[in-house]
Amino acid sequence: EIVLTQSPATLSLSPGERATLSCRASQSVSSYLITYLVWYQQKPGQAPRLLMYDASNRATGIPARFSGSGSGTDFTLTISSLEPEDFAVYYCQQRSNWPWTFGQGTKVEIK
Amino acid sequence: EVQLVESGGGLVQPGGSLRLSCAASGFTFRNYAMSWVRQAPGKGLECVSTISGSDRTTYYADSVKGRFTISRDDSKNTLYLQMNSLRAEDTALYYCAKDLDWGRYDYWGQGTLVTISS
Repeated sequence: EIVLTQSPATLSLSPGERATLSCRASQSVSSYLITYLVWYQQKPGQAPRLLMYDASNRATGIPARFSGSGSGTDFTLTISSLEPEDFAVYYCQQRSNWPWTFGQGTKVEIK
Repeated sequence: EVQLVESGGGLVQPGGSLRLSCAASGFTFRNYAMSWVRQAPGKGLECVSTISGSDRTTYYADSVKGRFTISRDDSKNTLYLQMNSLRAEDTALYYCAKDLDWGRYDYWGQGTLVTISS
């Protein structure tokens, strides 16, 4: 199975700062046309929320301060200017090969 | 409005069984694959099982293969997970998730808690 490794485990930042989260796959999750990498946000006591799909496409209703990039095995989720509601845990997930697998998560906490 | 409501969780002894249900509404259920994703307390996410919307092809994580069975009743807009031979490591919050595009989960339920303990 494809292993996703997220870094850092915890990111301590202040509102207004830029957050850069990394996700690395043990093998490529990209095909010729599509990169099968998804990002979710999860707040305490809530279900995950779809943020980004195919590495760089924002899901419906996701603000433009969220962006994603990468291909092959290395991916980045960037939050350009943190809002109070962005402090949460972020997971990457690959949907290239079953079983779909998730990274262990990056917690973005208030500094 | 899309809603996914899980039920059926509880406390079970090791070796026991449970059947989880997920009642779906607000979308054409039969057109979408559906999945069960679990989250152990304080841990990350694991996709346990998926069932397609068309030919009902099923997929399982190795950790549950042979013990869990996913199924769906499109006439009732309901997804199921039959869990047998339960182990302590199956303790988790089990989410039902709507699969928009083969592994892209756009809606999630609030989860049902399964606790395996003697």
